[in-house]
Amino acid sequence: AQTVTQSQPEMSVQEAETVTLSCTYDTSESDYYLFWYKQPPSRQMILVIRQEAYKQQNATENRFSVNFQKAAKSFSLKISDSQLGDAAMYFCAYRSDRVQGAQKLVFGQGTRLTINP
Amino acid sequence: KAGVTQTPRYLIKTRGQQVTLSCSPISGHRSVSWYQQTPGQGLQFLFEYFSETQRNKGNFPGRFSGRQFSNSRSEMNVSTLELGDSALYLCASSLSWANEKLFFGSGTQLSVL
Repeated sequence: AQTVTQSQPEMSVQEAETVTLSCTYDTSESDYYLFWYKQPPSRQMILVIRQEAYKQQNATENRFSVNFQKAAKSFSLKISDSQLGDAAMYFCAYRSDRVQGAQKLVFGQGTRLTINP
Repeated sequence: KAGVTQTPRYLIKTRGQQVTLSCSPISGHRSVSWYQQTPGQGLQFLFEYFSETQRNKGNFPGRFSGRQFSNSRSEMNVSTLELGDSALYLCASSLSWANEKLFFGSGTQLSVL
C-alpha cells in the first residue's frame, strides 16, 4: 500500500518570503500522480499543483513550484512571494495510475502554513 | 459553472441513528468520490462511483454505503452511527473515472453525540 508522509505539522513564513513544504511517499509503482492540495478555513480542498511521475520536468503554477525527486520519492512544494491568502492546510497526495485506483487519493497528514504580515 | 455542492453543511446526530449526505457534482462530471477527514486519521478514501457503479471502496465497515444516480448526483449513508464517525465528509467529482483532476466540495461536518 502507498503511504504519504508530511513531516512538518506546522510552518510559518513572512509575507513575500519563500517557503518549502516537504512530502515523501512510498510506492512500488512506476506510474502515478502527485498533488498538492490547499484547504483554507472554508474546508474546500483546492488543487494547487500536480505532477505526473513520468515527467522529469518539475511542475510550476505561477508562484507555486515543486521539486520532484522520483528516486528519492520526494515531492516538495515551494511557494514564492508568500501572500496572506496562502495561509491554509496543505496536503500532499498520491494517486495510482492504475485504472482501478483512478480516483483514490492517498493523503499525507497535512502541514498548516501561517503567513506573518 | 457551479462547483461541487454538498448538503447539508452541518449535521448533528446521536449514536445509533443513520444519516444520508448528498453531493451534486460539477455539471458534466460523471465520477464522484467520497473522503472522510478526521483530526486523528486524516483524509481517508471511502468510495468512488462512475455511471451509477461503485468502482472502488476504501477500508471502511459495511455501515458506510453510497450510491450514484443517473444524473451523477451521489449520496452516502452511514447507519448505526458511532461517536467515531464524527468527521468532515468531502465529496469530489471529475469528468470521468480516468481523469486525475478532482474538484472538491466544502464538505458536510457530521457530529455524532
